[in-house]
Amino acid sequence: EPEVTQTPSHQVTQMGQEVILRCVPISNHLYFYWYRQILGQKVEFLVSFYNNEISEKSEIFDDQFSVERPDGSNFTLKIRSTKLEDSAMYFCASSPEGDYGYTFGSGTRLTVV
Amino acid sequence: KQEVTQIPAALSVPEGENLVLNCSFTDSAIYNLQWFRQDPGKGLTSLLLIQSSQREQTSGRLNASLDKSSGRSTLYIAASQPGDSATYLCAVINYGGATNKLIFGTGTLLAVQP
Repeated sequence: EPEVTQTPSHQVTQMGQEVILRCVPISNHLYFYWYRQILGQKVEFLVSFYNNEISEKSEIFDDQFSVERPDGSNFTLKIRSTKLEDSAMYFCASSPEGDYGYTFGSGTRLTVV
Repeated sequence: KQEVTQIPAALSVPEGENLVLNCSFTDSAIYNLQWFRQDPGKGLTSLLLIQSSQREQTSGRLNASLDKSSGRSTLYIAASQPGDSATYLCAVINYGGATNKLIFGTGTLLAVQP
C-alpha cells in the first residue's frame, strides 16, 4: 500500500538553528499538508499546498515557516530560526483530492534545546 | 469556529468488550469525518472515512456512524483486543473552507486489558 514517507524520524536542534523536515507524499496525490502535535495537545493544521503554491495556512504558520516542493516528489517544511515552543511532532499528509481521505506519514519528532 | 470534542478522554476495558467512542462537532456543515488511530509516538493511521451524505461505514470490527444534524459521530469497536490499545482521533473537514484541512478532536486514549 502506498505510503507517505517522512525523514528524519527524530531531530534535535539548538534554538535559533534552521531545520528542514522532509516528506515524500504518495505519487499521484495532488494536495499536501503539514500538521503538528505538541505533546499532550491536539493535532493542529499548519499549511496546505496545491499546484505548487500554498492554498491555506494557519496563524501558527508565521514568517519563520516555509514550504517547498523542490523536485516534484519531495515536500519540505523549513523552520528558519527554531524556538523552544516549536518542539513537537510534525506530520506530513497527502490526499488525492481535497475532500477525500488523507494519508499521514509517521511523523518527525522535533526537539529544540 | 469548528470545535471537535471527544468523550471519554480515556477508557479502560477488559478484552472482549464492545465499546463506543464519541465525537461531537459544533458546525454541522462538514464534507466528511475521518477516524484515525495513533499509537504512542507514531503517526496517524486512517481507520474509517464517512462522507457527509453517508450514515455509517464499517471495516472489520469497526463501525463508525455519523449524524450531521446533531453534530455527532460514534466509533463502535466490537470484541476489543489488547492490540486495539491506542489513541483514537476523529477529525472533520468543513464545507466551504479555503482548503480541505482537518480539524481534530482531543482524542480518546483506549486501553484494552488482557
